Amino acid sequence: EPEVTQTPSHQVTQMGQEVILRCVPISNHLYFYWYRQILGQKVEFLVSFYNNEISEKSEIFDDQFSVERPDGSNFTLKIRSTKLEDSAMYFCAIYRTSGGAIEQFFGPGTRLTVL
Amino acid sequence: GENVEQHPSTLSVQEGDSAVIKCTYSDSASNYFPWYKQELGKGPQLIIDIRSNVGEKKDQRIAVTLNKTAKHFSLHITETQPEDSAVYFCAASKSGGGADGLTFGKGTHLIIQP
Repeated sequence: EPEVTQTPSHQVTQMGQEVILRCVPISNHLYFYWYRQILGQKVEFLVSFYNNEISEKSEIFDDQFSVERPDGSNFTLKIRSTKLEDSAMYFCAIYRTSGGAIEQFFGPGTRLTVL
Repeated sequence: GENVEQHPSTLSVQEGDSAVIKCTYSDSASNYFPWYKQELGKGPQLIIDIRSNVGEKKDQRIAVTLNKTAKHFSLHITETQPEDSAVYFCAASKSGGGADGLTFGKGTHLIIQP
């Protein structure tokens, strides 16, 4: 079973609409992250989240974005009023230890298409 | 903030040959440098990482070197195979975990020619 699942795998929305992207880690983790990747470009950090609070955020993560962990398991990214330039892959990541090492482990992503 | 430059953007090598991808970073406080492999339609997958207290690390056909003075690090893949074809990203952060987000390079599309 994958360590991190993301839903939906693909979301199509109209400009100006709100979207909620979900991340479900398989086990309990302390740190969660959201990244985005515009088609053909590099992966960009959006926000890190620890103990139900934002730890760090990038300049991309402006007021139209918010994150929360509403029920102690799902970790969500909300975009309040989508713009065309929000079209991208959005990856959730967790901080995990593996064989004594630590890593940021990425989920499979949600493709967001804003029309 | 941190800026990571990655070269080349595309690299084509013959199967069995070696591939080298290079990255530079700007923030001297960075001390964790992972490399991710991304296959089409999938999320980035960590393949190897290195911390600033180590100059080189090897895992089978993959090795990473780090020069903290020059602020650059490189990925070396030997005896390349068709399944190595993918996009490779270098990244940097101050800690590798915790609150820090990773700053990624723009990626290298590695093509293994049969």
